[in-house]
Amino acid sequence: DIQMTQSPSSLSASVGDRVTITCRASKSIGNYLNWYQQKPGKAPKLLIYAASSLPSGVPSRFSGSGSGTDFTLTISSLQPEDFATYYCQQSYSTLTFGGGTKVEIK
Amino acid sequence: QVQLVESGGGLVKPGGSLRLSCAASGFTFSDYYMSWIRQAPGKGLEWVSYISSSSSARYYADSVKGRFTISRDNAKNSLYLQMNSLKVEDTAVYYCARAMGGKRWFDPWGQGTLVTVSS
Repeated sequence: DIQMTQSPSSLSASVGDRVTITCRASKSIGNYLNWYQQKPGKAPKLLIYAASSLPSGVPSRFSGSGSGTDFTLTISSLQPEDFATYYCQQSYSTLTFGGGTKVEIK
Repeated sequence: QVQLVESGGGLVKPGGSLRLSCAASGFTFSDYYMSWIRQAPGKGLEWVSYISSSSSARYYADSVKGRFTISRDNAKNSLYLQMNSLKVEDTAVYYCARAMGGKRWFDPWGQGTLVTVSS
């Protein structure tokens, strides 16, 4: 299986900060990479698909980039509702998720 | 709006069985692959199983192969997961999700149902 490694595993940031989360695949996965946001006690929500596409309704402060093995999720200006855990997921082969990045209030 | 509602979770002893259900609404259920994904308490996400729109194809994670069976009833807009020979490590919140983009990503997810395997 393809291993997905997220970094950092957690971070502290302030409202208005620019936040970057990285996800590295153990082999090249093209753009078969998606991002999800999960708040405590809630189901994950799709944030980015196909590495850089934004679903309808997701704020434009979220963006994704990368291809091959290295990917990035960026929040351009962190808002109070963005404090959550973020997961990457590859769909190039048997589906696997990264370990998650918890974004906490500084 | 598109909605998925899981049910059927609960407490079961190791070696026991449980059947989860997921009721879909707000979209043409029979057009989509569907999936189960689980999350152990305090842990990350693990894909469990896929089923194609017509039930002709089913895929399983190695961790559940031979023990879990995914099925669907398009007439009832429902997805199921039959779980047999349950192990303590199967304890998790189980989410159903609609597969999009040729089953590349999941959107939306249900609210989840908790399965606890304990003696």
